[in-house]
Amino acid sequence: GENVEQHPSTLSVQEGDSAVIKCTYSDSASNYFPWYKQELGKRPQLIIDIRSNVGEKKDQRIAVTLNKTAKHFSLHITETQPEDSAVYFCAAGNNRLAFGKGNQVVVIP
Amino acid sequence: EPEVTQTPSHQVTQMGQEVILRCVPISNHLYFYWYRQILGQKVEFLVSFYNNEISEKSEIFDDQFSVERPDGSNFTLKIRSTKLEDSAMYFCASSRQGGDEKLFFGSGTQLSVL
Repeated sequence: GENVEQHPSTLSVQEGDSAVIKCTYSDSASNYFPWYKQELGKRPQLIIDIRSNVGEKKDQRIAVTLNKTAKHFSLHITETQPEDSAVYFCAAGNNRLAFGKGNQVVVIP
Repeated sequence: EPEVTQTPSHQVTQMGQEVILRCVPISNHLYFYWYRQILGQKVEFLVSFYNNEISEKSEIFDDQFSVERPDGSNFTLKIRSTKLEDSAMYFCASSRQGGDEKLFFGSGTQLSVL
């Protein structure tokens, strides 16, 4: 089955700087790559997703890039704010999603 | 905005007891899922359900687990004889379609097995 690896496990950034989280996946058949944000004690919330026929997608301060050849995709957050502090999960798959272990992002005011 | 709802938010049970976790998916969604998250670990797929039957399940979803859609709105996860290692946050999710369709998660049920 699909195996998703996520790096780094923890990321601290100064407010206003950019944060980048990278994920790799193993199954070349995966065609859907969402990113979820999970605040402490709350449900995972979809923040952005990308499909395999697209290389990049942007939504305000958030962007995702996909490299199908290398089987990796990344989340980019620009102009980080304290409310961006959360755990971010990447996932990959088709009919079922395999999740990465999550990145703890800490934005330092 | 429609949401997936789950009850209860917290469930405490004794080892060996049966528990039923309840979910109401978004009304026009056709695909339903259960995921779990052990504290501090990744979200893990348990099972997907479509057209009143299981479409896929993981190795975690053994004979102790079962799912049911007893009526037109509820989707339940039953654990027959709970074990300590079943303690986790259980998330229900739904999507309009399978495949690469967006998944919407419920707020979760925190299950504690003592």
